[in-house]
Amino acid sequence: AQSVTQLGSHVSVSEGALVLLRCNYSSSVPPYLFWYVQYPNQGLQLLLKYTTGATLVKGINGFEAEFKKSETSFHLTKPSAHMSDAAEYFCAVKADYGQNFVFGPGTRLSVLP
Amino acid sequence: GAVVSQHPSWVICKSGTSVKIECRSLDFQATTMFWYRQFPKQSLMLMATSNEGSKATYEQGVEKDKFLINHASLTLSTLTVTSAHPEDSSFYICSAREPGPQEPQHFGDGTRLSIL
Repeated sequence: AQSVTQLGSHVSVSEGALVLLRCNYSSSVPPYLFWYVQYPNQGLQLLLKYTTGATLVKGINGFEAEFKKSETSFHLTKPSAHMSDAAEYFCAVKADYGQNFVFGPGTRLSVLP
Repeated sequence: GAVVSQHPSWVICKSGTSVKIECRSLDFQATTMFWYRQFPKQSLMLMATSNEGSKATYEQGVEKDKFLINHASLTLSTLTVTSAHPEDSSFYICSAREPGPQEPQHFGDGTRLSIL
């Protein structure tokens, strides 16, 4: 079975500062990992995904995430926060078999001027 | 990129009526679609997994007769909330994915359902 934890339900950063959103997972098999962003009253948009290969994954809007197997982590980062990054962010894990995705509880990112 | 269209985006209706929500994959064939419910400031709660041409698989605690799911084609799944009541008011989101273990889910924009 898979599970996901996201440390910090709410993260605040200043505009231009580094964004770091934490995601840790547990999986008995090699996982596929995803980050999604959700703006108010909208669905989720895929930011990036890790399946195999390079452990540093680049996504849209300047975000990237690094898969660290030894730490069972897939933290999301962005060098410089923009006001438009304020949203809810969800980490998700999927086993390489089956259909089910497991979503984390989400982290709300606030960007302060 | 893969686009999922969900309609309607907002529904307000009286208690006792049935509401149908459509989820379409516009530029890919979705063998599997998912229906989620999201409460304010919470994560997604999976309601059911829908495979084209077969019965949906419902999560524990989700009433099959209340939330009817039909996945009649590779591009369309519908969720019908039957005899809706105020406690059914919520944000419903669908997603779809292409076949293949590495494929992500692509989400619709959600439907805000308000039952008066």
